[in-house]
Amino acid sequence: NAGVTQTPKFQVLKTGQSMTLQCAQDMNHEYMSWYRQDPGMGLRLIHYSVGAGITDQGEVPNGYNVSRSTTEDFPLRLLSAAPSQTSVYFCASRDGGRALFFGSGTQLSVL
Amino acid sequence: GESVGLHLPTLSVQEGDNSIINCAYSNSASDYFIWYKQESGKGPQFIIDIRSNMDKRQGQRVTVLLNKTVKHLSLQIAATQPGDSAVYFCAEAVYNQGGKLIFGQGTELSVKP
Repeated sequence: NAGVTQTPKFQVLKTGQSMTLQCAQDMNHEYMSWYRQDPGMGLRLIHYSVGAGITDQGEVPNGYNVSRSTTEDFPLRLLSAAPSQTSVYFCASRDGGRALFFGSGTQLSVL
Repeated sequence: GESVGLHLPTLSVQEGDNSIINCAYSNSASDYFIWYKQESGKGPQFIIDIRSNMDKRQGQRVTVLLNKTVKHLSLQIAATQPGDSAVYFCAEAVYNQGGKLIFGQGTELSVKP
């Protein structure tokens, strides 16, 4: 199993551009989530999904959209990137247990 | 409001010594706590967890202690090694909010040879 796979690893955007961060897991986990990590802020929850077709907002959802059409994939969309969205983004999933399994992250810079 | 925070942002220890990383939480309704290790350029890696009905749990070289009276969590690493150098996060699971984890800010552990 590859676990949780995120692409791309690095991305630079201009203000106002849109893009999608991809996340896929091959562990058949129902729960998936997106976090952003900023210096001194720890990890903050953006959106999460408890199963295909179900999504909900986390702590910092503004400026981001998600969808969950399949169990495996949980893409995060930035419709109009802003410099405040410069961060490292982590996708994570879990099964019926409690512990989250994280991907290796996407480092995003918005100029 | 709810928060999960760490007492010390940095911790420096000698190789072979024991390390103790502390965490405070404020939500007495939380039923589960997790410690993660994050190395530079990587995602957080699960270390150990503990449920709120327990006060101690041991793993390989690590022990987590939970004191619900003072809402305090600690991670003890025995015989700290250079490979233990990383940022350590505690996280609080609030399951009446859909299983979301709330993370603390992290403590950077530096192991000196």
